[in-house]
Amino acid sequence: GQNIDQPTEMTATEGAIVQINCTYQTSGFNGLFWYQQHAGEAPTFLSYNVLDGLEEKGRFSSFLSRSKGYSYLLLKELQMKDSASYLCAVSSSNTGKLIFGQGTTLQVKP
Amino acid sequence: ETGVTQTPRHLVMGMTNKKSLKCEQHLGHNAMYWYKQSAKKPLELMFVYSLEERVENNSVPSRFSPECPNSSHLFLHLHTLQPEDSALYLCASSQDSGTSGSHEQYFGPGTRLTVT
Repeated sequence: GQNIDQPTEMTATEGAIVQINCTYQTSGFNGLFWYQQHAGEAPTFLSYNVLDGLEEKGRFSSFLSRSKGYSYLLLKELQMKDSASYLCAVSSSNTGKLIFGQGTTLQVKP
Repeated sequence: ETGVTQTPRHLVMGMTNKKSLKCEQHLGHNAMYWYKQSAKKPLELMFVYSLEERVENNSVPSRFSPECPNSSHLFLHLHTLQPEDSALYLCASSQDSGTSGSHEQYFGPGTRLTVT
């Protein structure tokens, strides 16, 4: 079957660093996406990894290990506005089909 | 208008009603998608259209009927829904649905559907 796992909830302190993990088992692999979704809003694209390694984009970085079926999203210098759900999604085919994890709700506290 | 828009934003309908959700993208993309987002569940892909042709139908009940008249517009026609169909329905678009180039999906704000 196809499965994507990520923690349900995480809490971190403003200014700190947090790492959100995602493991996946899919029949195919065409890249892994991270999206951010604030409550009541649409998901917005954060990052895309298709090759192993780290992709850095400002305060956000995303890592992929295809052999381990593992990715993480790293958020640095946390701000209150980073409180949101973070969705891990795998593209398993060339038809645009994305398989989403349940999402990790991150709460940033002062 | 920019990005991906959806109307209506909120919809309450009875189980015998027929209604339609509308999505429009202003990004010049070739692929469009319908997703269902229920509380405490992962985003669930329903349909994928690429260049107005359906390329993915994720075992969705026939009471949901998509229509893609052109690459900018996508509809989801609803009839005889059940209370468990109450959810947030999200539309998305991408440059294309394949492997070439960047194909991240841009989401609309969603339609919050309640079936009574």
